[in-house]
Amino acid sequence: DVKVTQSSRYLVKRTGEKVFLECVQDMDHENMFWYRQDPGLGLRLIYFSYDVKMKEKGDIPEGYSVSREKKERFSLILESASTNQTSMYLCASSLGRGATDTQYFGPGTRLTVL
Amino acid sequence: GQNIDQPTEMTATEGAIVQINCTYQTSGFNGLFWYQQHAGEAPTFLSYNVLDGLEEKGRFSSFLSRSKGYSYLLLKELQMKDSASYLCAVLDSNYQLIWGAGTKLIIKP
Repeated sequence: DVKVTQSSRYLVKRTGEKVFLECVQDMDHENMFWYRQDPGLGLRLIYFSYDVKMKEKGDIPEGYSVSREKKERFSLILESASTNQTSMYLCASSLGRGATDTQYFGPGTRLTVL
Repeated sequence: GQNIDQPTEMTATEGAIVQINCTYQTSGFNGLFWYQQHAGEAPTFLSYNVLDGLEEKGRFSSFLSRSKGYSYLLLKELQMKDSASYLCAVLDSNYQLIWGAGTKLIIKP
């Protein structure tokens, strides 16, 4: 079974802090994704990566950056956390770029910014 | 713009059948996914449709009509554990997934 793990289930940070969210997958997947999920809204794509050291902006990249130094690890960085970044953050991975690629999700990190 | 519509919430009775609809307007189409998400947990894959018609997988079936921009997820013999949110997502012409807001399904005994 594919396993996607995220570094924290719950996180509380203060406005202005730098926040790191880590995601690791153990199935040698090419693609990795970071989403945020807010009530009443669909999953919104922040950034994604199709290869090591490669990154692409999603729909809402502002205020975020990412890092993919190793194939299995994809990090989301909030340079200066703000209260409007309070959300559930979900990491996902998929095998390749084919149309039928299923995305496998991590358990999520619920981030609260005070 | 791209848009996916699904009902916000539905209620059904244990043992019954429920149909969750999804309509979409996207720039291109390369398939439609249904995911299940229990409260506080990650979404998990249920089905993928790229051709018109019905795909059956146990108690769950998914239907697609590309000409109508419409899909539904059919759940039979409902069980309490089926209480969850069901997410519809469409793969657009750039192979990006566009997600609906999800339908919260409440199962009553």
